[in-house]
Amino acid sequence: DIVMTQTPLSSPVTLGQPASISCRSSQSLVHSDGNTYLSWLQQRPGQPPRLLIYKISNRVSGVPDRFSGSGAGTDFTLKITRVEAEDVGVYYCMQTTQFPRTFGRGTKVEIE
Amino acid sequence: EVQLVESGGGLVQPGGSLRLSCAASGFTFSSFWMHWVRQAPGKGLVWVSRLNSGGSTTQYADSVKGRFIISRDNAKNTLFLQMNSLRAEDTAVYYCARGQKGSDALEIWGQGTMVTVFS
Repeated sequence: DIVMTQTPLSSPVTLGQPASISCRSSQSLVHSDGNTYLSWLQQRPGQPPRLLIYKISNRVSGVPDRFSGSGAGTDFTLKITRVEAEDVGVYYCMQTTQFPRTFGRGTKVEIE
Repeated sequence: EVQLVESGGGLVQPGGSLRLSCAASGFTFSSFWMHWVRQAPGKGLVWVSRLNSGGSTTQYADSVKGRFIISRDNAKNTLFLQMNSLRAEDTAVYYCARGQKGSDALEIWGQGTMVTVFS
């Protein structure tokens, strides 16, 4: 199974400041079709998860452009340029390159 | 509106069974792969199972293989998860989710249904 390792597990951030979350996979996420199936999800308190980004860097419609994804191979990053109060929650990376699908342990973003 | 609504959760003793349902609306259900994902209280997300659009190909996490069965009724726009031989560690909120075409990223989620296994 592909292990997804997220760091940090907790990220206290000041409103308006940037935040960055790293996700590293135990194997390359490059599929045989040439695509890399790494996505990022946000889970606000008491809510189901919400897809933010797919295939490394593609933002879902309606997701603010302060969210961006980057990376390749086994190393990926989610960045929030200026954290807003509504960004509080847990962020997960997930790979859909291989079965079983696997998630990172989650990174809690909170306002300090 | 695109929507997924889970039902069927509840309290069950170890060794018991439950059948979860996920009613889909607002999209062509029969065109999408569907997944179950669970989340134990206070813990992270764990992928459980996936079923292709036609209902012929399944994948399972090792932790549920041989005990859980995923299925669908495309005529009724409903996804199911038959859960047998339940254990305390199966206690979680169970979400159904739609896989995005082309990437299988989990793009639409239901609100979840709680399953509690206790003796």
